Amino acid sequence: NAGVTQTPKFQVLKTGQSMTLQCAQDMNHEYMSWYRQDPGMGLRLIHYSVGAGITDQGEVPNGYNVSRSTTEDFPLRLLSAAPSQTSVYFCASSYRGQGLSEGAFFGQGTRLTVV
Amino acid sequence: GENVEQHPSTLSVQEGDSAVIKCTYSDSASNYFPWYKQELGKRPQLIIDIRSNVGEKKDQRIAVTLNKTAKHFSLHITETQPEDSAVYFCAASIRSGGSYIPTFGRGTSLIVHP
Repeated sequence: NAGVTQTPKFQVLKTGQSMTLQCAQDMNHEYMSWYRQDPGMGLRLIHYSVGAGITDQGEVPNGYNVSRSTTEDFPLRLLSAAPSQTSVYFCASSYRGQGLSEGAFFGQGTRLTVV
Repeated sequence: GENVEQHPSTLSVQEGDSAVIKCTYSDSASNYFPWYKQELGKRPQLIIDIRSNVGEKKDQRIAVTLNKTAKHFSLHITETQPEDSAVYFCAASIRSGGSYIPTFGRGTSLIVHP
């Protein structure tokens, strides 16, 4: 099993550009989520999904879109990149237990810089 | 105020000492409390967790305690080793609609000096 695979690992965008961060898991987990990590701020939930076809907003959803057409994939779209979106992004998946964080596996992260 | 507060933000200990990191949460309905370890440049990894119906859980050198009445939980690491150096995050799972959503603390940077 590859676990949770995120691509790309690094990305530089210009303000106003759009892009998609890819996330795939091969553990048949129902729950998937996206976080951003900023210095001194911990991990903040952007969007999450409890199953294919179902998505919901987390703590900091503005400027991001998600979709969940399959159990395996959960891409995160930046609609119009802004410097405030410079961050490290983590995708995570977990089985249907006590919610998003139970037994969560994280991807390796994407370091995004918006200039 | 923050839903989950974590202290201290930095903890420096000598190898072999114990380390304790504390978190408080605000939502009395929280029922699941995981701890993650994140080494520099790596992904967070779950190291231990506890449910609201349990007061303490141990796994070798690490343990977690939960006080539901006071709404706080702690991570204890005994006989610390240099490889324990990392950032540690606590989280509390709160109910939102039909799902449990995690809220993370801001992290504790643990430095173990050889």
